[in-house]
Amino acid sequence: GAVVSQHPSRVICKSGTSVKIECRSLDFQATTMFWYRQFPKKSLMLMATSNEGSKATYEQGVEKDKFLINHASLTLSTLTVTSAHPEDSSFYICSASGGAKETQYFGPGTRLLVL
Amino acid sequence: GESVGLHLPTLSVQEGDNSIINCAYSNSASDYFIWYKQESGKGPQFIIDIRSNMDKRQGQRVTVLLNKTVKHLSLQIAATQPGDSAVYFCAENEEAAGNKLTFGGGTRVLVKP
Repeated sequence: GAVVSQHPSRVICKSGTSVKIECRSLDFQATTMFWYRQFPKKSLMLMATSNEGSKATYEQGVEKDKFLINHASLTLSTLTVTSAHPEDSSFYICSASGGAKETQYFGPGTRLLVL
Repeated sequence: GESVGLHLPTLSVQEGDNSIINCAYSNSASDYFIWYKQESGKGPQFIIDIRSNMDKRQGQRVTVLLNKTVKHLSLQIAATQPGDSAVYFCAENEEAAGNKLTFGGGTRVLVKP
């Protein structure tokens, strides 16, 4: 149980284009989903928290207009990196939680490379 | 601000030996802690968790110890296997901050055959 998937697993795009990453909870309802970013050999940094049906809460320093998050259902959240630039290249990981005091289960991550 | 950190960035262990990974946290209000394992190119995998009303919890080959007095968390892996080679992160759950996780810097465990 508690499986979270991400799609795509890897994406290469040109600078200035937008990329959408999907995060799905496959066998449970995720009232809360989290998006993280991880640079090589570094820890995970929380970007934003999204609750189903409401606007995402972004961490300090994360541009909400650049990283658009939608959590339209209890099993799907999307992260769109708009007008991507090479410095946006990173490993993006989502996690899903069934609610407060519930464990976060992580997706396999999406490696983004912006050329 | 509050933070979660690790003492050892890399741990080399002989196959079959026990591994101990340490983590220090500074937020005395934290009441939920989790250990994750991350293999290269993959997302973190839940290993074990512990709440602040406990000081020890055991799983399959793993044990988490929590010492609230000194704000210290450890993960013990018994009979370490090659498949245990990965980066291990401790994470702190801030329920008052919306169930967010704050991750430590990570410890790489290398299992030598």
